[in-house]
Amino acid sequence: SYELTQPPSVSVSPGQTATITCSGDKLGYKYACWYQQKAGQSPVLVISQDNRRPSGIPERFSGSNSGNTATLTISATQAMDEADYYCQAWDSNTHWVFGGGTKLTVL
Amino acid sequence: QVQLVESGGGVVQPGGSLRLSCAASGFAFSSFGMHWVRQAPGKGLEWVAFIQYEGSKKYFADSVKGRFTISRDNSKNTLYMQMNSLRTEDTAIYFCAKDRDSSSWYAGLDYWGQGTLVTVSS
Repeated sequence: SYELTQPPSVSVSPGQTATITCSGDKLGYKYACWYQQKAGQSPVLVISQDNRRPSGIPERFSGSNSGNTATLTISATQAMDEADYYCQAWDSNTHWVFGGGTKLTVL
Repeated sequence: QVQLVESGGGVVQPGGSLRLSCAASGFAFSSFGMHWVRQAPGKGLEWVAFIQYEGSKKYFADSVKGRFTISRDNSKNTLYMQMNSLRTEDTAIYFCAKDRDSSSWYAGLDYWGQGTLVTVSS
């Protein structure tokens, strides 16, 4: 079955750039999406199809995907960006797959 | 605005059954694929099941295949999931979610409900 691997945690200082990675076999040949989930809330789609921002998502959120790694980048990180982030891809065998999640701490 | 409201969660004994519902509004429900995604307490997201817009294609995670079924009633704008032979490891918040794109499976899930808690315990 297809698997996506994320680092359990990432820390960033306010105003700096946060980078969260997601790795999977030939992930660059698939589309990657990213979700933000704040404590006690439902997930929110922040990046679709590698690098598309849904309406209402701030421009500081961006994504890329190449080789075996997709990356979510948050520029000028704010305290309100502290959350769990999940990558997700579609695989022909496993269908919809989520990564294990990364806890982003802004300190 | 788009709203997804789950119901039907509760406490059930191992081996028992439960039926979840998800009432949708604010969009053309019959045009979009729909998903169930679960999250065990303190754990990450796990995709569970998908049903295509008209109900002809259905997919399940290996962990629930043969035990869970997914269906929809487009006349009632409602998504369902029948869960049988429940196990303790099925304990989770169950979210329903909508496909972002009506014509592809790659664009992600753009609206989620608030979730309904299923607890499997003796």
